Amino acid sequence: GAGVSQSPSNKVTEKGKDVELRCDPISGHTALYWYRQSLGQGLEFLIYFQGNSAPDKSGLPSDRFSAERTGGSVSTLTIQRTQQEDSAVYLCASSLTNNDRDPQDTQYFGPGTRLTVL
Amino acid sequence: RKEVEQDPGPFNVPEGATVAFNCTYSNSASQSFFWYRQDCRKEPKLLMSVYSSGNEDGRFTAQLNRASQYISLLIRDSKLSDSATYLCVVNGYGNKLVFGAGTILRVKS
Repeated sequence: GAGVSQSPSNKVTEKGKDVELRCDPISGHTALYWYRQSLGQGLEFLIYFQGNSAPDKSGLPSDRFSAERTGGSVSTLTIQRTQQEDSAVYLCASSLTNNDRDPQDTQYFGPGTRLTVL
Repeated sequence: RKEVEQDPGPFNVPEGATVAFNCTYSNSASQSFFWYRQDCRKEPKLLMSVYSSGNEDGRFTAQLNRASQYISLLIRDSKLSDSATYLCVVNGYGNKLVFGAGTILRVKS
């Protein structure tokens, strides 16, 4: 079946421009996560959405970063006024569920968007 | 202290060798533990979940030690195709998954 898809796969932009990254989760998955991974580094949590609950934004590095999830499905991560340190691979993942009572469900990752800020 | 810590390696081993990775975590309330595998320039993929009783999947064995707050991954009879970065993953504070920085494994012929 269809997995998590992300677009674009690569994005090169100039410092100061805004970018939008898109994630289509697996159909039926209620939880959606954004991470970023800099070269040679581990995954850095950014934000997650669970159903209709308020998103957990605790990982967003600055107010230049925002994300939304429309209709409980597709999500868009927006970076305003990009800086060179924003260059990284941005990964989206989805899972069937995520709540405070049950253990985390398996996360399935998309292929990522490689962002390069010149 | 990081929530999840791993030895970055690299571990360079010959084909057929047995290799083990450890990972420590700081949140004693963590309930879920996983090993993910990430190939170069690819997304992470679930290798196996880690259960309290330990579990085995072919050449791979995962164990959990709650008292000492670490999990381990043992790979027997290493193959060239096992070369990758192995990510230790724990559900941390706020029930979010926290990824370790990964351990690099290189299997050589």
